Parts: sequence; structure tokens; C-alpha cells
Amino acid sequence: GAVVSQHPSRVICKSGTSVKIECRSLDFQATTMFWYRQFPKQSLMLMATSNEGSKATYEQGVEKDKFLINHASLTLSTLTVTSAHPEDSSFYICSARLAGARNEQFFGPGTRLTVL
Amino acid sequence: GESVGLHLPTLSVQEGDNSIINCAYSNSASDYFIWYKQESGKGPQFIIDIRSNMDKRQGQRVTVLLNKTVKHLSLQIAATQPGDSAVYFCAENITPSGNTPLVFGKGTRLSVIA
Repeated sequence: GAVVSQHPSRVICKSGTSVKIECRSLDFQATTMFWYRQFPKQSLMLMATSNEGSKATYEQGVEKDKFLINHASLTLSTLTVTSAHPEDSSFYICSARLAGARNEQFFGPGTRLTVL
Repeated sequence: GESVGLHLPTLSVQEGDNSIINCAYSNSASDYFIWYKQESGKGPQFIIDIRSNMDKRQGQRVTVLLNKTVKHLSLQIAATQPGDSAVYFCAENITPSGNTPLVFGKGTRLSVIA
């Protein structure tokens, strides 16, 4: 149980285009999902907290108009990278929080974005 | 031995030996800690967690030790196997329940020498 999927797993796009990444909790409901970005050989950096039915909370330095987050249901959050630039190339990882005493987070497999 | 690279420190161990991966956390208010394993090109995988009211917790081949006095967390892997080669991250949270996100440490790359 507690499986999180991401789609696509890998995407290559041209500079200036927009890319949408989906994060789904497959067998549980997640009122909260998180989006992280990870550059090579570095740790995960939190970009935003996505709450179902409300606006996302962005970390300092993350442009909300560039990284659009939508959490329309208890099992789906989407991250759209708008007007992508080569410096947006990174590994994007989502996680979904399983509500309960431990409040554990389960991570998706990640999406490798390459902007040409 | 252990060395510090440009971004990720690396720990190299012989297969069959025990591994100890260390993590220092900064927020004294953190009271829930998790160790994750991340293989190349994949998302983090939960290994073990511990709450601040404990100083030791054991799982299958893994043990987490917590020293709140010096804000230090360690992960011990017994009889390290080649499949343990990965990057290991500690993560901290202020409360195990609630809506606060996890804060990740910088990670340690574990290389197992066969």
C-alpha cells in the first residue's frame, strides 16, 4: 500500500514551452502533497506544499507564477513548469502525506525534466 | 573511509561490514526523524523513523540512534550488501502529525565494495 506515482517519468522539451507533471496517490487519499526539486548530487529542496482544495504554499525563492500547482482531488496534484528554461532542468519529486499518528510521507519515483 | 565531496559526502564500506551514516540536524524543535534511501534516478524510499521520545529504534538490519543533546542522528546498517549502495538522507519534522513539511539533510552516498 501507500504507493505514489508520477507521470511522466522523463520529459524533454524546448525552451519556452510548458510541461505538466502529475503526482497521484494510488491507494490512499492525501490532503497534502509536497513538490521537491533535486539537482545532481544534491539533496531534495522543497518547492511547495500542495493542499487539496486550496492554494499551494510556496517556499521562499520559488516563483508561484512559474511553477503552477493544482491539487484538485485527494489523489492528484499537478505541477506545471511554465515557459521552461534550461536552468529548470532537474529531477522533480512529489510526496504525499499519509494522515495518521506517524504522518509519514511517501515519495513518487520522480520526473526527470530536460529543457533544451 | 569517509570523504567529503563537492556536494555529497561518500562512505565506502566492504561488503559484510557494518555501515554508520551520520546526520546533524539544526532545529531543536524537530521531534520526528526519518531516514530515506535513494537509488539513482528514483524517488526516496522510507527506511526507518524515530520520534524524539526515543533514542534508539531497530528495524530489519537497520538501527537509528538519536542524540537530542547534540542534535545528531545516525543510521546503522548491519552486514552491508551491494544492494545497499545508494544515497541516504535524514529528514526532520517538527511534529509527526500536522502539516509541516520534511526538511532533508544533504545526504551521504554509500558505496559498498564487493
